Amino acid sequence: GAGVSQTPSNKVTEKGKYVELRCDPISGHTALYWYRQSLGQGPEFLIYFQGTGAADDSGLPNDRFFAVRPEGSVSTLKIQRTERGDSAVYLCASSQRTDSYNEQFFGPGTRLTVL
Amino acid sequence: SQQGEEDPQALSIQEGENATMNCSYKTSINNLQWYRQNSGRGLVHLILIRSNEREKHSGRLRVTLDTSKKSSSLLITASRAADTASYFCATDDQMDSSYKLIFGSGTRLLVRP
Repeated sequence: GAGVSQTPSNKVTEKGKYVELRCDPISGHTALYWYRQSLGQGPEFLIYFQGTGAADDSGLPNDRFFAVRPEGSVSTLKIQRTERGDSAVYLCASSQRTDSYNEQFFGPGTRLTVL
Repeated sequence: SQQGEEDPQALSIQEGENATMNCSYKTSINNLQWYRQNSGRGLVHLILIRSNEREKHSGRLRVTLDTSKKSSSLLITASRAADTASYFCATDDQMDSSYKLIFGSGTRLLVRP
């Protein structure tokens, strides 16, 4: 079946602009996660959705970052007033289970470059 | 902050040799997962080992887990050039009901043909 998909694959924007990054999870997966990966580092957690609600947003770096999942499937990560430090690969993952055997499947990521 | 640390940071071996990567973590966990990443993009799930398991196999992969030492190792046997990638371990935190993953900084593996 289809895996997690993310669009766009690459996004180049100017400092101060607004961007939206989209994630389509695997059908039927109720848990959805966003991570951010800087060059040479492992991914770092941003936010977790269980269904439509953000159950854990403790990883969002500041209030310029926001994410929604209005129908419990597709999610959009929104970044306002982008800064050069926001440049990274943004990864989305989904999981069928919401217990301790939570195997997460990742999308290909969106590479964001802020000039 | 990142939970895990991988060792070595980089590894270069000849095709056909075995590759061993190690991972250490800090908290009590429910499970530990290993992922592969090519060219800095999507992560491919390799294997999940539960905290009550000590060893798990999948094809040419062998994972061990020592919860007393808070460490894990990934062994790739009979390596191939196609195994060239970065490898990450990821753990959850037993006290965290979101089960979000905490990653190490990865091991970059180069398999020379």
